[in-house]
Amino acid sequence: QVQLVQSGAEVKKPGASVKVSCKASGYIFNSYYLHWVRQAPGQGLEWMGIINPSGGSTTYAQKLQGRLTMTRDTSASTFYMELSRLSSEDTAVYYCARASYWNNYLMDVWGQGTTVTVSS
Amino acid sequence: DIVMTQSPDSLAVSLGERATINCKSSQSVLYSSNNMNYLAWYQQKPGQPPKLLIYWASTRESGVPDRFSGSGSGTDFTLTISSLQAEDVAVYYCHQYYSTPSTFGQGTKLEI
Repeated sequence: QVQLVQSGAEVKKPGASVKVSCKASGYIFNSYYLHWVRQAPGQGLEWMGIINPSGGSTTYAQKLQGRLTMTRDTSASTFYMELSRLSSEDTAVYYCARASYWNNYLMDVWGQGTTVTVSS
Repeated sequence: DIVMTQSPDSLAVSLGERATINCKSSQSVLYSSNNMNYLAWYQQKPGQPPKLLIYWASTRESGVPDRFSGSGSGTDFTLTISSLQAEDVAVYYCHQYYSTPSTFGQGTKLEI
């Protein structure tokens, strides 16, 4: 079955960077775009960006431009999300989500989430 | 950016009763060339990722019970649960995928 398995929880200090992985299985890796979405504690969902696994092109949310980098390793069927210059406002659960067959911006399968805590 | 506004923020419904959640977009998410509304609904239970329920405003995702239905067009949309079950307690989000950045409503907490 289609699965996205994310790396474990992270605790980082302000100003540091974090890199979260998302391993895909059960489908053709290069055929579906991949999103990252985050959710601050007790808050709603915030779209961060999207990556095309075939070629690696990306589109990021404007507010995260300059701090966010999305990459992929096709040989390992794994996506990565790196966020730099962390602040307490980046404390959140980070999800990867596969784009649907029907539309590249519709998300049909989600990873389990990775908690990132930014604290001094 | 398209702003998605849900109402109410929270809702308490008795088991077996109907639940209705509304979502309004700040601009139309109806694409005229194909007459499709780029609007989805997700369900999120505590400690879990969101689960896709409805897309194209009214198409149920495979495996979603038929008590869940979506309706609306343009800027006004509704998610209806026809007969509330205990397992439907969750937060529900609407989501527009019409334009970038993709945006979500603030969520509606559904309780019994």
